[in-house]
Amino acid sequence: DTGVSQDPRHKITKRGQNVTFRCDPISEHNRLYWYRQTLGQGPEFLTYFQNEAQLEKSRLLSDRFSAERPKGSFSTLEIQRTEQGDSAMYLCASSPPGTALVPLHFGNGTRLTVT
Amino acid sequence: SQQGEEDPQALSIQEGENATMNCSYKTSINNLQWYRQNSGRGLVHLILIRSNEREKHSGRLRVTLDTSKKSSSLLITASRAADTASYFCAFEGGTYKYIFGTGTRLKVLA
Repeated sequence: DTGVSQDPRHKITKRGQNVTFRCDPISEHNRLYWYRQTLGQGPEFLTYFQNEAQLEKSRLLSDRFSAERPKGSFSTLEIQRTEQGDSAMYLCASSPPGTALVPLHFGNGTRLTVT
Repeated sequence: SQQGEEDPQALSIQEGENATMNCSYKTSINNLQWYRQNSGRGLVHLILIRSNEREKHSGRLRVTLDTSKKSSSLLITASRAADTASYFCAFEGGTYKYIFGTGTRLKVLA
């Protein structure tokens, strides 16, 4: 169990640029989640996958955001035409198969700064 | 907003004292979990309580759940400086989607 890995840890980009983040979950985990967290707030749900299927996407997520998990292993989160309001910590979490009575395992996040 | 509400937003106590933080939510739930987050890091799971449970203990942690009031509390006994962190509740309503609360920032003074 090497834990959930996120890359990069930090990303600084100019407004209007596209960015992509990667998450590698714990290998046996079939559910993968993306959250966004701004300073002083709790994590805000963005989307989640069960294997390669994206089962739910937040209505708060604009069309500029897209997430994929093509082979049911790692996942990518892309933000197109970034805006200053996208500056936040983007957290990935995974959980094992079975019931929902299991904890989420979080990575250390990708901190995005849009200038 | 679906997000849970936590209070207090911030709490400062002396080492050795107990810390209590509360979480309220609006939907029906299957389970509620508590997480801890150190500054700039990911969240770490602390404890899970099922909707049919009223109280659960784990070491110095005690969690209660009142589904009629849609609220939960986390008690940390005999706090230590190392307990300084933000604490979040998270609830799941049957769709594997976890909604987090707004968090309580705990500071334990040595």
